[in-house]
Amino acid sequence: EDQVTQSPEALRLQEGESSSLNCSYTVSGLRGLFWYRQDPGKGPEFLFTLYSAGEEKEKERLKATLTKKESFLHITAPKPEDSATYLCAVRGSQGNLIFGKGTKLSVKP
Amino acid sequence: DTGVSQDPRHKITKRGQNVTFRCDPISEHNRLYWYRQTLGQGPEFLTYFQNEAQLEKSRLLSDRFSAERPKGSFSTLEIQRTEQGDSAMYLCASSLLVIQANEKLFFGSGTQLSVL
Repeated sequence: EDQVTQSPEALRLQEGESSSLNCSYTVSGLRGLFWYRQDPGKGPEFLFTLYSAGEEKEKERLKATLTKKESFLHITAPKPEDSATYLCAVRGSQGNLIFGKGTKLSVKP
Repeated sequence: DTGVSQDPRHKITKRGQNVTFRCDPISEHNRLYWYRQTLGQGPEFLTYFQNEAQLEKSRLLSDRFSAERPKGSFSTLEIQRTEQGDSAMYLCASSLLVIQANEKLFFGSGTQLSVL
């Protein structure tokens, strides 16, 4: 069964304190791993898509990497505006996205 | 491009009542998805359309739930005989599918349903 597990559930950082979020996945034939950001009361906002092991993508202070079993979202020198829930998803066998529970990131000034 | 629009933003209903939500996707997007999200959980897939055809429906979806996309544009999600367990955020997303590898889902802000 296709499955996505994210850790930690919550992460509290000081402004400027770099860290990483983990996404472990089980899927029969990876057809894309997706990272989304979700602010309270809003829908998820697309960040990255990764397709093959070794692939990396960057956007501002965020960098996503992919291995055969997991993905990492690295946050470098975070700012308070980076506070949000970060969701990881894989494309399931039926074509829909299967999401993890997310990591709630809080960045304190 | 005004993004994916969902209406209403909030809905409070009594158990046993029927409710209907509307989603207006980004124009020219051919795929439309419905997801449900409860507090502390990621979005859970419900169903999706390509144009007006409903291609997939979650096996976990109760037969009290029905969705339509009559002209391949907006979509409605109806829940009949609501139960307290139906309380959740209902999210709609749309995409322009050319090849699946490049498909990106754009989400609306959701409809928050509370069943009393």
